[in-house]
Amino acid sequence: EAGVTQSPTHLIKTRGQQVTLRCSPISGHTSVYWYQQALGLGLQFLLWYDEGEERNRGNFPPRFSGRQFPNYSSELNVNALELEDSALYLCASRLPGGPGTDTIYFGEGSWLTVV
Amino acid sequence: GDSVTQMEGPVTLSEEAFLTINCTYTATGYPSLFWYVQYPGEGLQLLLKATKADDKGSNKGFEATYRKETTSFHLEKGSVQVSDSAVYFCALSGTTGGSYIPTFGRGTSLIVHP
Repeated sequence: EAGVTQSPTHLIKTRGQQVTLRCSPISGHTSVYWYQQALGLGLQFLLWYDEGEERNRGNFPPRFSGRQFPNYSSELNVNALELEDSALYLCASRLPGGPGTDTIYFGEGSWLTVV
Repeated sequence: GDSVTQMEGPVTLSEEAFLTINCTYTATGYPSLFWYVQYPGEGLQLLLKATKADDKGSNKGFEATYRKETTSFHLEKGSVQVSDSAVYFCALSGTTGGSYIPTFGRGTSLIVHP
């Protein structure tokens, strides 16, 4: 069974540009989470999508946005890139349901460098 | 809100040494507890989990016991290998108003020397 897949794996963008990162969850998983992992920092929660709806977002500016498609895949968009957006962006997915299905599984991440 | 506190790294050990990485948490209710591992240049992999008090999660020689009385979930391994060098994250998955958002510690880097 395929795990969580993310694309692209690496990319370099210029300050001010926009970027779109993509994530395909594990088959049967309906929740998708996005985290940012900047160098030397832990995981910062960005967004949570479930059944096509944005359920929660972390403490990030509005230029970080995303969506979830009917097939449960997801996109993360970052507008007006800043140097400090350079980070590993991790996507994770989870089965539908309550506390008994609370394990999330991560993809390999997308490395974004802003120059 | 929920929080996870891990010991500061890096933890540097010689091969075959005993490993302990401390993790304590603050949460309402009865969260599940997890350890994830991140090898260099990769995403996070689930290492082990425990869902209720006194449960012991184990995998690949690593163990952690859910201690509700001390709100702890310390990671242990009896004999580490060079290949265990990675960053280890403690996490909990509770519910806050029906919102299932896992909370992670800052991670502890483990370096194992031959």
